[in-house]
Amino acid sequence: GNSVTQMEGPVTLSEEAFLTINCTYTATGYPSLFWYVQYPGEGLQLLLKATKADDKGSNKGFEATYRKETTSFHLEKGSVQVSDSAVYFCALITLSGNTPLVFGKGTRLSVIA
Amino acid sequence: ETGVTQTPRHLVMGMTNKKSLKCEQHLGHNAMYWYKQSAKKPLELMFVYNFKEQTENNSVPSRFSPECPNSSHLFLHLHTLQPEDSALYLCASSQDHFAGGPPDTQYFGPGTRLTVL
Repeated sequence: GNSVTQMEGPVTLSEEAFLTINCTYTATGYPSLFWYVQYPGEGLQLLLKATKADDKGSNKGFEATYRKETTSFHLEKGSVQVSDSAVYFCALITLSGNTPLVFGKGTRLSVIA
Repeated sequence: ETGVTQTPRHLVMGMTNKKSLKCEQHLGHNAMYWYKQSAKKPLELMFVYNFKEQTENNSVPSRFSPECPNSSHLFLHLHTLQPEDSALYLCASSQDHFAGGPPDTQYFGPGTRLTVL
């Protein structure tokens, strides 16, 4: 079946530090990959996505590259801000299988000034 | 931005109450979803509707009853819930995810925080 594994949190960084949140997946078929972000008290917002191998999704300074050979979609940002504090979810979707969207457990990021 | 709205944002109910959650999407999508987000657990898909037809029921107890009167509205009717049903309930929408092309992005509402006493 399909699954997503993300690094355990919480992750605490100082402002302007470099961020990496690891995400690996297993999937039957050819998945599309997503990162969603959930700010405190809010629902999930799409952060970025990639639909085929070697695609790079990017938004608000965040980037992730679809690596089919390593089945990974790691999230990176060169310089985090306090406002980036949130929970980040890696997710995949495929046309095959019964579950349209599969999420990782989420990684909580806290950025301190 | 969010084109998906949910009401109420917060709900407290007793185990014998009956209440409904409402979701509305303004994105022209034709698939809608209910998810449950509990503390320290992964997001759980509950129901999927495609063109108003239910295509997924992820082994959800019958005390949760979905209704999709049209492609823009989705309800979750609640009755005789248990305290362990307390969670954030998220609605999402997308284009038909079995349209033959790449699976489309799901857009989420802000959620309803439900507390069952």
